[in-house]
Amino acid sequence: DQQVKQNSPSLSVQEGRISILNCDYTNSMFDYFLWYKKYPAEGPTFLISISSIKDKNEDGRFTVFLNKSAKHLSLHIVPSQPGDSAVYFCATPPGRGSTLGRLYFGRGTQLTVWP
Amino acid sequence: DVKVTQSSRYLVKRTGEKVFLECVQDMDHENMFWYRQDPGLGLRLIYFSYDVKMKEKGDIPEGYSVSREKKERFSLILESASTNQTSMYLCASSLSGYFRGTEAFFGQGTRLTVV
Repeated sequence: DQQVKQNSPSLSVQEGRISILNCDYTNSMFDYFLWYKKYPAEGPTFLISISSIKDKNEDGRFTVFLNKSAKHLSLHIVPSQPGDSAVYFCATPPGRGSTLGRLYFGRGTQLTVWP
Repeated sequence: DVKVTQSSRYLVKRTGEKVFLECVQDMDHENMFWYRQDPGLGLRLIYFSYDVKMKEKGDIPEGYSVSREKKERFSLILESASTNQTSMYLCASSLSGYFRGTEAFFGQGTRLTVV
C-alpha cells in the first residue's frame, strides 16, 4: 500500500501562472515531508521540505503547505517557468524511531509549463 | 557539494546475465539506497544500507542483492537479469539521524535495458 499518494499524474500550466501539486499521506505519525524534482535522464534533486511543527515553508518561488488534519500537503510554484517542467515527487520518512534513513515516495506528478 | 556517482548512464544486458551496478558517494554518508523508477510507479526502494556490510530489504528486493564493503560504495547486483528489470536505477545517500539525515542525494541514474 502506498504511504504517500500523488493522485494527479500530470499537470499543465501556462508560464507565469501558479502551479499547485498535491500529495496525501496515510499515517498521522509522519512528521517531515520533502519535495524532489526530477528531469528526464537525471537523478531527483531535493527542492524543499517541511516539518510538522509548521504549516508553511517558503523558498523563493516555491512554497509548501501542510494540513495535518487532512493529511495533505501541496507545493505551490509562483510564477511557473518553462524550466520548472519536470516530475515532482513528494516523500516522507517513516517516522521517528523507525527504519533508518529510508523515504517513502509518491508516484510523482509530471508538470509541464507552456509559454 | 555532495556527489553520488553511478558507474554507467546506460546499460544493455541480455536475459540471464549477472549485472553489477556501482555507486560511489564522496560525503562520508552512513546511509545508501538503491531505488528503481518506472513510469506511473514512482520511486520504489530495492535495498538500503545504514553501515558497512549492513543491508536491509526495501519494498521490492526480489531478484536483487547488494554489497557494501566500503562506506563510500554500494553495489546492486541482478543475479540473473530479466526483462522486467528493465528500468531506471537510482542510487542515493544520506546522513544518519532523523531530520539531519532525511534529505537524500541522488546519483544521475542508470538506464538498464534487458533484452
